[in-house]
Amino acid sequence: QVRLQQSGPGLVKPSQTLSLTCAISGDTVSSNSAAWNWIRQSPSRGLEWLGRTYYRSKWFNDYGVSVKSRIAITADTSKNHFALQLQSVTPDDTAVYYCARDQGDIWTSKFDFWGQGLHVTVSS
Amino acid sequence: SSELTQDPPVSVALGQTVRITCQGDSLKTYYASWYQHKPGQAPVLLMFGKNNRPSGIPGRFSGSNSGITASLTITGAQAEDEADYYCNSRDTSGILFGGGTKLTVL
Repeated sequence: QVRLQQSGPGLVKPSQTLSLTCAISGDTVSSNSAAWNWIRQSPSRGLEWLGRTYYRSKWFNDYGVSVKSRIAITADTSKNHFALQLQSVTPDDTAVYYCARDQGDIWTSKFDFWGQGLHVTVSS
Repeated sequence: SSELTQDPPVSVALGQTVRITCQGDSLKTYYASWYQHKPGQAPVLLMFGKNNRPSGIPGRFSGSNSGITASLTITGAQAEDEADYYCNSRDTSGILFGGGTKLTVL
């Protein structure tokens, strides 16, 4: 059974960097069939896809348009985890952040396992 | 830019059938998946691909696709089905989510 365990601070000051990690058990971050994603949820936006990292003979990253200029997602194979860094945060980045595995194919996105979610508040 | 549009909040009487729709140009190329999201919990995958249900998801949930519209149907809604429902799909540059539909079971 795959398990995703999230960690990170619940409070970040405006203009600083939000950093979260997602530890994977039951699968590997360098899997050739999975992509590892960050998604957030807020009352105003619903679920919003932030980006992903995945390995297909080399590492790839894709990011959502709304955060593309200030996001980075990295994988650490030695720790079997992946991380989110979101720079220059504002109160609008306050949300519940989830990591999730996409085990779909080229036609279907399938988020079959999710982390527990972390509520992050951006406030001074 | 691509987007997925979902229905406004809907309600259904206990035991009745409800259909929730999701529209978007990405659905011409890609299949929709559906998720159930309850407060304080992680979203749960309900349907994916042509009409596939993960193990453990009740048979009262089903999906369909036609052109740019995907639908999730709950046949015989139960009280525990009250939740927010989201569709998602791939698009050319990443992943899209619909805005969500809040379902109330009366």
